[in-house]
Amino acid sequence: EAGVAQSPRYKIIEKRQSVAFWCNPISGHATLYWYQQILGQGPKLLIQFQNNGVVDDSQLPKDRFSAERLKGVDSTLKIQPAKLEDSAVYLCASSQGGGQLYGYTFGSGTRLTVV
Amino acid sequence: AQSVAQPEDQVNVAEGNPLTVKCTYSVSGNPYLFWYVQYPNRGLQFLLKYITGDNLVKGSYGFEAEFNKSQTSFHLKKPSALVSDSALYFCAVSAFGNEKLTFGTGTRLTIIP
Repeated sequence: EAGVAQSPRYKIIEKRQSVAFWCNPISGHATLYWYQQILGQGPKLLIQFQNNGVVDDSQLPKDRFSAERLKGVDSTLKIQPAKLEDSAVYLCASSQGGGQLYGYTFGSGTRLTVV
Repeated sequence: AQSVAQPEDQVNVAEGNPLTVKCTYSVSGNPYLFWYVQYPNRGLQFLLKYITGDNLVKGSYGFEAEFNKSQTSFHLKKPSALVSDSALYFCAVSAFGNEKLTFGTGTRLTIIP
């Protein structure tokens, strides 16, 4: 089966610019997650979707970050405006319903550098 | 709040020797525990998980992990290390009824030929 697809792989922007990342989960996976992985740290959950509804966005900096999952399939994560501290790898993951039982599949990530 | 501690940033092991990567956790209720591996410029790859049952869990590439409830630990082990095992390893925890995965800070494993 095809994996979780993410694009772009790399992005370099200046601070205060905006950027968007795209994720296409595994077909049929109802749950989608966006994680932020800062260099030297473990991934941190930003937002979790169940179909097209938000389950958990408690760690999403809502003043600058937004995410949507229209039609319960693809998802887009946006940052506007970007700050230097947003430099990180943004990982998308999906699971077939309960990730604890069925597992989570991660994409290769988008590496964002803010200069 | 749930948390994971990986006390060693770096572990070096000679090829052919046994390896252990340590992980302790804190969670309310029964834990679901995971190990992931990350190679350079790659996403996280699943190694193994503990949900319930036997405390010794076997996973991919010859890895195993032992769940110890009294010590709240879930250490990753392999009897004989390969150079190709060199990578960044993450332990993660979630709780029953909560899909959120909380990761540790990672341990860089280097296998020395």
